[in-house]
Amino acid sequence: SQTIHQWPATLVQPVGSPLSLECTVEGTSNPNLYWYRQAAGRGLQLLFYSVGIGQISSEVPQNLSASRPQDRQFILSSKKLLLSDSGFYLCAWGGTGNQPQHFGDGTRLSIL
Amino acid sequence: AQSVSQHNHHVILSEAASLELGCNYSYGGTVNLFWYVQYPGQHLQLLLKYFSGDPLVKGIKGFEAEFIKSKFSFNLRKPSVQWSDTAEYFCAVNAGSGYSTLTFGKGTMLLVSP
Repeated sequence: SQTIHQWPATLVQPVGSPLSLECTVEGTSNPNLYWYRQAAGRGLQLLFYSVGIGQISSEVPQNLSASRPQDRQFILSSKKLLLSDSGFYLCAWGGTGNQPQHFGDGTRLSIL
Repeated sequence: AQSVSQHNHHVILSEAASLELGCNYSYGGTVNLFWYVQYPGQHLQLLLKYFSGDPLVKGIKGFEAEFIKSKFSFNLRKPSVQWSDTAEYFCAVNAGSGYSTLTFGKGTMLLVSP
């Protein structure tokens, strides 16, 4: 069966520090992969999606970037974190055709 | 671009009460519709989905939703809620063909008191 792993679950970082959140999927090949940010009362905002290795589409301009170095690995990064980057970040896979997306457990990022 | 509107940000019900959460979307073409649920401390999981066919779809845990194309709506219902239904509920939509990115509503927090 397919599984999705995100880590770390919780992260506290100072302003201006770099960021790397990792997401991996098992049990499927060439999945569509997504990074979302979830904010209370604002739902889920799609940040990036990828349909294949090295293929990244950005939905909103921001301080973050994404990379897909391997088929089932999706990384969310920043060179210098801002206070406004605090939030709950979710990775998801799927959504090909009419299939639903499946979500990881998320990473709670707090910027001090 | 598509958008999704969930009418209630917070809903408080007593156990055994009936539930209806509103969801409206704006998109002129064929759509796929989803309801996701996030229980406290857990990840988002699919509750039910509509792609085609019978507009009344049944999901897990006694939930159902009805797609009314003329109203651009996909409301979630449950005849009798339980305390364990306390969670945040998200409606989502994507364009009906090919590759899909989901557009989510802002979510509705449901609190069921025992």
